[in-house]
Amino acid sequence: QKEVEQNSGPLSVPEGAIASLNCTYSDRVSQSFFWYRQYSGKSPELIMSIYSNGDKEDGRFTAQLNNASQYVSLLIRDSQPSDSATYLCAVTADRGSTLGRLYFGRGTQLTVWP
Amino acid sequence: GAGVSQTPSNKVTEKGKYVELRCDPISGHTALYWYRQSLGQGPEFLIYFQGTGAADDSGLPNDRFFAVRPEGSVSTLKIQRTERGDSAVYLCASSLKYARGRAGRISPLHFGNGTRLTVT
Repeated sequence: QKEVEQNSGPLSVPEGAIASLNCTYSDRVSQSFFWYRQYSGKSPELIMSIYSNGDKEDGRFTAQLNNASQYVSLLIRDSQPSDSATYLCAVTADRGSTLGRLYFGRGTQLTVWP
Repeated sequence: GAGVSQTPSNKVTEKGKYVELRCDPISGHTALYWYRQSLGQGPEFLIYFQGTGAADDSGLPNDRFFAVRPEGSVSTLKIQRTERGDSAVYLCASSLKYARGRAGRISPLHFGNGTRLTVT
């Protein structure tokens, strides 16, 4: 069983600050990584996907992948109250019988206060 | 195009009854996934279809759970002899198998709104 670990939080930041969310995973073979946002009572919504070591930026969001250290992070710049949600890290293996299976962490609850 | 559609949105049933949950994926998506999510937890993998066949059903908790996708599109998750512990939100997701230009990589999953199952 692949393990995906996230700090459950809650993480609380003021409006306009940078929110930093972290995720570690146990399988070094993993090649596909995703961050999802989930508002209370709603389904997960894709924020970012990242497949290669390094940074990927999309608007206020930056995903960072370090495959050697087996962690992936999500930075949210200029945090807004509307960013308040649970952020789920998801990791997949890309080989063998588990090809295609996506494993989720428990999520980190983020609160951005005005 | 429409997103992933799940019906019903809510289902309340009595312990011991049989339920069916339906998922209609995004058109053209060959991969379909079922997850379930309990309060405060991340989604838990149940089963994954590539086309009509179950590519990986090792997440199904026991033989009361079964899922089909007979024509490679709509899928039905079936739960027999429901138990109170089956209460959760059941999420369906679909994806293209490969990320664009990256053969062998999984494409992002797109989730439906889920079915909230309550077993009384």
